[in-house]
Amino acid sequence: NAGVTQTPKFQVLKTGQSMTLQCAQDMNHEYMSWYRQDPGMGLRLIHYSVGAGITDQGEVPNGYNVSRSTTEDFPLRLLSAAPSQTSVYFCATKPRRHQETQYFGPGTRLLVL
Amino acid sequence: AQSVTQPDIHITVSEGASLELRCNYSYGATPYLFWYVQSPGQGLQLLLKYFSGDTLVQGIKGFEAEFKRSQSSFNLRKPSVHWSDAAEYFCAVGYSGGYQKVTFGTGTKLQVIP
Repeated sequence: NAGVTQTPKFQVLKTGQSMTLQCAQDMNHEYMSWYRQDPGMGLRLIHYSVGAGITDQGEVPNGYNVSRSTTEDFPLRLLSAAPSQTSVYFCATKPRRHQETQYFGPGTRLLVL
Repeated sequence: AQSVTQPDIHITVSEGASLELRCNYSYGATPYLFWYVQSPGQGLQLLLKYFSGDTLVQGIKGFEAEFKRSQSSFNLRKPSVHWSDAAEYFCAVGYSGGYQKVTFGTGTKLQVIP
């Protein structure tokens, strides 16, 4: 049981490049989400999903796309990276939509030059 | 809208000393409250949570927190800090039915000196 896994651990991009951050969970959790963490700003919700085929925007969705084709995976796509997207990205899951305790992945550190 | 304030950005304590990290929230109804810990380069780990009932909540690693409705606070405490407690601590607030709306504070970084 690996829990929540994220790949890659670290990535450097040039402005305008695209990439996908991967998040996978093997706990059959219904709810998955993406946060970004910036110094002095805590964690901010980007997108979330309450089940396969269902996604919605969080607090800071601009510049990011998501999809949820399976229960296990919830990739985050940057179509055209910008320096403002330099951050640490965390995927988090929880078993049911109305349960509040989240389980976090180890994070992906992204640097956009 | 709900919000969380952690007034202390950085705290330094001596090993063996007691610790209290402050958290204040703003929300109209009874909130769900959480404390998470993040070690360097790691994800967040849940220390404890309050949903209802006893206002003094026990968590892992010897931590506890007390919900005080009158003060809109949920301070984290530990009677004797260990060097391994050095990390960043986040308070978070959510609410029933608002499964997507867990708001995090900006964090308090704890340094432990020998």
